[in-house]
Amino acid sequence: EVQLVESGGGLVQPGGSLRLSCAASGFTFSNYWMNWVRQAPGKGLEWVANIKQDGSEKYYVDSVKGRFTISRDNAKNSLYLQMNSLRAEDMAVYYCVGHLDYWGQGTLVTVSS
Amino acid sequence: QAGLTQPPSVSKGLRQTATLTCTGNSNNVGNQGAAWLQQHQGHPPKLLSYRNNNRPSGISERFSASRSGNTASLTITGLQPEDEADYYCSAWDRSLSAWVFGGGTKLTVL
Repeated sequence: EVQLVESGGGLVQPGGSLRLSCAASGFTFSNYWMNWVRQAPGKGLEWVANIKQDGSEKYYVDSVKGRFTISRDNAKNSLYLQMNSLRAEDMAVYYCVGHLDYWGQGTLVTVSS
Repeated sequence: QAGLTQPPSVSKGLRQTATLTCTGNSNNVGNQGAAWLQQHQGHPPKLLSYRNNNRPSGISERFSASRSGNTASLTITGLQPEDEADYYCSAWDRSLSAWVFGGGTKLTVL
């Protein structure tokens, strides 16, 4: 059974940092492009970033460039998202996504003072 | 980054057919087609089809996707109450090097 389990969300003040993690199992993690997709409360889906199988290519949505960093550890079947300089508009449920096939349950990031 | 265009809502009757549309451009939908996802309230999205009409295992044949030019479509036949959900399209945009999503269509089954 495919499982993607996100962790690391929570409440953070504007300007603060959080590191999201995603533990993958049930599929060959190292064969997949991995993504972070977010969804603000009551809003639609927004792609945030992705990373190639070997980590050699990374892409970001313009609004997070320079603030967020995606990384992976294939030995640990894990995906990460380092989020710095957080803003109110970053508040959302963050999903770990294997290509577009596999989705985690999401972790909520709340940015508020 | 510009997204894909979807109608905000569609309403159809039970056992009828609904067709949802998704319009992009030659760099995204017109290049490699679109993926379609279904999201029920309070749940993560689920992939219904990718690159137009490739269905993951376990997805009902009542869901079929197609593309004409820069517009992708998802047709759902024999509508059931459980089909009531939000539907999103997505495509890789080669000029932006980014995935783009539509704003979503809320499907209501009357």
